[in-house]
Amino acid sequence: DAGITQSPRHKVTETGTPVTLRCHQTENHRYMYWYRQDPGHGLRLIHYSYGVKDTDKGEVSDGYSVSRSKTEDFLLTLESATSSQTSVYFCAISRGRDYGYTFGSGTRLTVV
Amino acid sequence: KNEVEQSPQNLTAQEGEFITINCSYSVGISALHWLQQHPGGGIVSLFMLSSGKKKHGRLIATINIQEKHSSLHITASHPRDSAVYICAVPIQGAQKLVFGQGTRLTINP
Repeated sequence: DAGITQSPRHKVTETGTPVTLRCHQTENHRYMYWYRQDPGHGLRLIHYSYGVKDTDKGEVSDGYSVSRSKTEDFLLTLESATSSQTSVYFCAISRGRDYGYTFGSGTRLTVV
Repeated sequence: KNEVEQSPQNLTAQEGEFITINCSYSVGISALHWLQQHPGGGIVSLFMLSSGKKKHGRLIATINIQEKHSSLHITASHPRDSAVYICAVPIQGAQKLVFGQGTRLTINP
C-alpha cells in the first residue's frame, strides 16, 4: 500500500504524440505535484494542485497541462511531446505546508 | 543565484566514516526537508524540521534558522547509505518546494 502510485513506470513515445501520465493517491491529501528530474537541474516543479479543479503552474510548465477532476487523481499531459521532455517525472503529495511530502516511484519518459 | 545551495556536490567516503552534508538557503522558511534518492530509485522523505535537531537511526538533521543553514549527518556510514541527498525548502507563503541540486554520496566498503 504505497499511498501514491504513478503510471506508467516507463514509456517511449514519438515526437508530436500526446502523452498522459497518471498519479493516483489513496491518502486523501489536498496537495499534489508534478516534478521533472534532469541531470544538472535537479527537481523542478511543472504544475501543482491545491484541490479538485484547482491547479497552478510551476517553473517549467510550458508544453504541459494538468487536470484534477477528483481528489485522488492528478494527470499530467504532454499535448505534443518533444525530445526536450525526455525526463523522469515524479508525482508528490502533501497534506499541507506543515507536513511532509510523499513521492511516487517516478515515470521514465523517452521521446524519440 | 540558487535559493538552495548544497555542499559538497559529490562525496566519497569509507564505510564507518561520519558524514556531513550541508544546505544553505536564502529565503525565509517555515521548515526544511531532507530527501534521499537511491540510484535509479524513488525519492524518500527523511526529515522535515523547523528548529533544532531530529534523529532517525544513524541519521541526524540539524537546522539553524537564524543562519539559514541545515546539516545532515550520517554516523557509522554504510554502503547502503550511498544515494543522492536532497535538501528542499518551501517558498514562503506558497505550498511549493525549491530543491537543492543534491549531494551524491558514495560509501565504499
